Amino acid sequence: QKEVEQDPGPLSVPEGAIVSLNCTYSNSAFQYFMWYRQYSRKGPELLMYTYSSGNKEDGRFTAQVDKSSKYISLFIRDSQPSDSATYLCAMSEASGGSYIPTFGRGTSLIVHP
Amino acid sequence: DADVTQTPRNRITKTGKRIMLECSQTKGHDRMYWYRQDPGLGLRLIYYSFDVKDINKGEISDGYSVSRQAQAKFSLSLESAIPNQTALYFCATSGGTVHSGANVLTFGAGSRLTVL
Repeated sequence: QKEVEQDPGPLSVPEGAIVSLNCTYSNSAFQYFMWYRQYSRKGPELLMYTYSSGNKEDGRFTAQVDKSSKYISLFIRDSQPSDSATYLCAMSEASGGSYIPTFGRGTSLIVHP
Repeated sequence: DADVTQTPRNRITKTGKRIMLECSQTKGHDRMYWYRQDPGLGLRLIYYSFDVKDINKGEISDGYSVSRQAQAKFSLSLESAIPNQTALYFCATSGGTVHSGANVLTFGAGSRLTVL
């Protein structure tokens, strides 16, 4: 079992829908949590970055971390066709290591007009 | 210009050939990485380097080698390419401390390699 589990999808939603993307993990030492967005034929780009538990909001995007459940989520409000991409979660430890993030496999999101 | 530049962007080669993928960055970052991405398997770390004199194997280094020619340059070589090395390869960089971005990667646009 991988340290970070993420459903590959694809997840297909209509424009305007609220999207929920999720990852679970097993390493309780993870303290930093990230979401990357990857468009087709492009490299991943950082979308959200959070430390420890709680919520972080940036425009239509909200990242949520529940360390007690080892579960993180990314919510996208009022989804747009331009949000169609693969979303990768990533997480890393805060001390005693190299801090190299561990990635989930990515979830493919399709927002249709 | 892109912060992280990979060349070539696309390459088709034959089994047994030697291939080099090159990466250069203008971020001034000390840390550089090579990943491969396969459908359903996500990103897997091949090699990483924390400075010019530091090279480390990742989870799937067999069949690959790397060279850190300078702070800004990190190349990946396949000494004798085989078909299951067909994949999308990404170079990435990061800098600073864990509290200031060492774990935040900036990726290149990728190099698509096909081994026939």
